[in-house]
Amino acid sequence: AQSVTQPDIHITVSEGASLELRCNYSYGATPYLFWYVQSPGQGLQLLLKYFSGDTLVQGIKGFEAEFKRSQSSFNLRKPSVHWSDAAEYFCAVGANAGNMLTFGGGTRLMVKP
Amino acid sequence: DTAVSQTPKYLVTQMGNDKSIKCEQNLGHDTMYWYKQDSKKFLKIMFSYNNKELIINETVPNRFSPKSPDKAHLNLHINSLELGDSAVYFCASSHGGGTGELFFGEGSRLTVL
Repeated sequence: AQSVTQPDIHITVSEGASLELRCNYSYGATPYLFWYVQSPGQGLQLLLKYFSGDTLVQGIKGFEAEFKRSQSSFNLRKPSVHWSDAAEYFCAVGANAGNMLTFGGGTRLMVKP
Repeated sequence: DTAVSQTPKYLVTQMGNDKSIKCEQNLGHDTMYWYKQDSKKFLKIMFSYNNKELIINETVPNRFSPKSPDKAHLNLHINSLELGDSAVYFCASSHGGGTGELFFGEGSRLTVL
């Protein structure tokens, strides 16, 4: 069975600083990987996804993520964080593109002025 | 227009009652889902449904049942509510077997007293 671990429950960064959110997955074959963002009181919105090909994927709002098979990781990065990026971030893995996704426990990002 | 809409947004009820949460999507998707998000923000798939197949997460109690009057609707009915059912329930939809991107509703917060 697939699983996802997000080791950091909370992260606080200063506005303008760089950001990296960690995600490790467990799956026997090539996974389909996703990052979603959840603003307070809202549903989840897709930031980016990896299916195949280039291991560095670009997403919305200036986010990117890199798939590293050797480390079973799919970390999310942003070079300069904005106050509006404060939210809950979820990494997810799917066995195939249309399958039900398994989500990690989420990382809450707080942004200091 | 909201792509995936859920009603009600908030629901407070007593233990033992039966309640339903409605979900509608206007995206033309053929697969809909219900996810449960607990107090620790952990998201867990409950059901995946299209017009051909219902996939049930085996850990979901049979007090929970999805009901789909048509392709654009997937309602969640819960019998004999328990305290542990308190959570935020998210409806989502996608093209089955497509990009794997889920479109989420804003959630329905259920509180069982």
